[in-house]
Amino acid sequence: GENVEQHPSTLSVQEGDSAVIKCTYSDSASNYFPWYKQELGKGPQLIIDIRSNVGEKKDQRIAVTLNKTAKHFSLHITETQPEDSAVYFCAARIKAAGNKLTFGGGTRVLVKP
Amino acid sequence: EAGVAQSPRYKIIEKRQSVAFWCNPISGHATLYWYQQILGQGPKLLIQFQNNGVVDDSQLPKDRFSAERLKGVDSTLKIQPAKLEDSAVYLCASSFDGNYGYTFGSGTRLTVV
Repeated sequence: GENVEQHPSTLSVQEGDSAVIKCTYSDSASNYFPWYKQELGKGPQLIIDIRSNVGEKKDQRIAVTLNKTAKHFSLHITETQPEDSAVYFCAARIKAAGNKLTFGGGTRVLVKP
Repeated sequence: EAGVAQSPRYKIIEKRQSVAFWCNPISGHATLYWYQQILGQGPKLLIQFQNNGVVDDSQLPKDRFSAERLKGVDSTLKIQPAKLEDSAVYLCASSFDGNYGYTFGSGTRLTVV
C-alpha cells in the first residue's frame, strides 16, 4: 500500500520568512497530491493540490512542487504570516486503489511575529 | 455551498460502551469517507463509500466498528464496545466523484475513559 512520510514534524519561522515542508511517497502509481491545513478544533482544509502531470503549481503565497522521479513533493509558503500557524498535512492518492488518500504525519508550523 | 456536517462535536464514554457518529456530506457528493485521527498523527482511512456501497473497509476494525450509508447520503459510524485506544477525532469527508476535492467536516472528538 501507499506510505507517505512528511518532514519536518515541527517548523518555527519568523514572520515574513519562507516555510518549506517535504513529503515522500512510496507508490509510483500515485497521481494526486493535496495539501491540507488544520487549525485547532477544525477539520483539515484543502489549501492547494497538484496532479501528476504537472511539476509545479502556485496560488498567491503558496506553491507546491512535484518530482515524480524522486517520488517527493513539497509545500512552499512565502512571506509567512501569524495566521499561517497551523498543522499542515500532505497526502497522496492512487487512483487504482479506489481513490484512497494516504496522509503524512503532519507538520506543526509556528510563525513568530 | 454548505460543508460536511458532523455530530456530535465531542463525546466522552467509558470503555466497553457504545457510541455513534453521524455525517451529512455535501449535497451531490457520491463518495464519503470516515477517517480516524489520533492526536499528533495524520488521518487514517477507516472506510470509503461510493453512493451506498462500500469501496474500501480494509482498515476498519470490524470486530467493533461498523458503518452504513443506507440511502447514499448521510452516514453513521458506530463503535461497540469502545476501547481506550479508540480515543481520537473521527473525521468525515466527501467528494463529488472520488477523484479530487475532498472536503472534510470538523470531526467528532471521542474520549474513552
